Amino acid sequence: DGGITQSPKYLFRKEGQNVTLSCEQNLNHDAMYWYRQDPGQGLRLIYYSQIVNDFQKGDIAEGYSVSREKKESFPLTVTSAQKNPTAFYLCASSPLGRGNHNEQFFGPGTRLTVL
Amino acid sequence: DQQVKQNSPSLSVQEGRISILNCDYTNSMFDYFLWYKKYPAEGPTFLISISSIKDKNEDGRFTVFLNKSAKHLSLHIVPSQPGDSAVYFCAASGGGGADGLTFGKGTHLIIQP
Repeated sequence: DGGITQSPKYLFRKEGQNVTLSCEQNLNHDAMYWYRQDPGQGLRLIYYSQIVNDFQKGDIAEGYSVSREKKESFPLTVTSAQKNPTAFYLCASSPLGRGNHNEQFFGPGTRLTVL
Repeated sequence: DQQVKQNSPSLSVQEGRISILNCDYTNSMFDYFLWYKKYPAEGPTFLISISSIKDKNEDGRFTVFLNKSAKHLSLHIVPSQPGDSAVYFCAASGGGGADGLTFGKGTHLIIQP
């Protein structure tokens, strides 16, 4: 069945280490996104990609990096430069085109805790 | 500065009554609005949306109203059910393309028996 998967569900890392969060979709969607959610906050856009081998910074890209080598995959690396990496990370995808109105479908999320 | 605002962090409604969740926006370029429902430790799920060319969209128990002149939208849930207890996010997009959604901070809806 189609959907978006994120792994792992929970991730613990030591301060100063880089960590990569996985996001895979089999919906054949062109666009993929990474958001971050903090307690009492809405979702904030980190990076997005509309096509393979191309991506753009969102509102809070500092300390993060992404790649889009395949249509189905959009991994997010949280680098040691990210000052407050502990958060709930959500990946989403959407079909492109004006008729699709940018409705996004979300994965289950990864809770990252940096110790 | 927040472009999408949900000023009520929480809302408590009795089961069977109407739940009204409000959302205000400041960016006049937004042309599409969405409501998402989210349970703890899960991803948001899409609920209902509305284009800026409409003022109402209905889907079962859920209705979204848009007042463009006031830059205000609301989500009505009638009748409210226990399973509706969740955090509801208002989101907006503008100009087409795929440059992400702008989310409000969410309203935690609690349905009381």
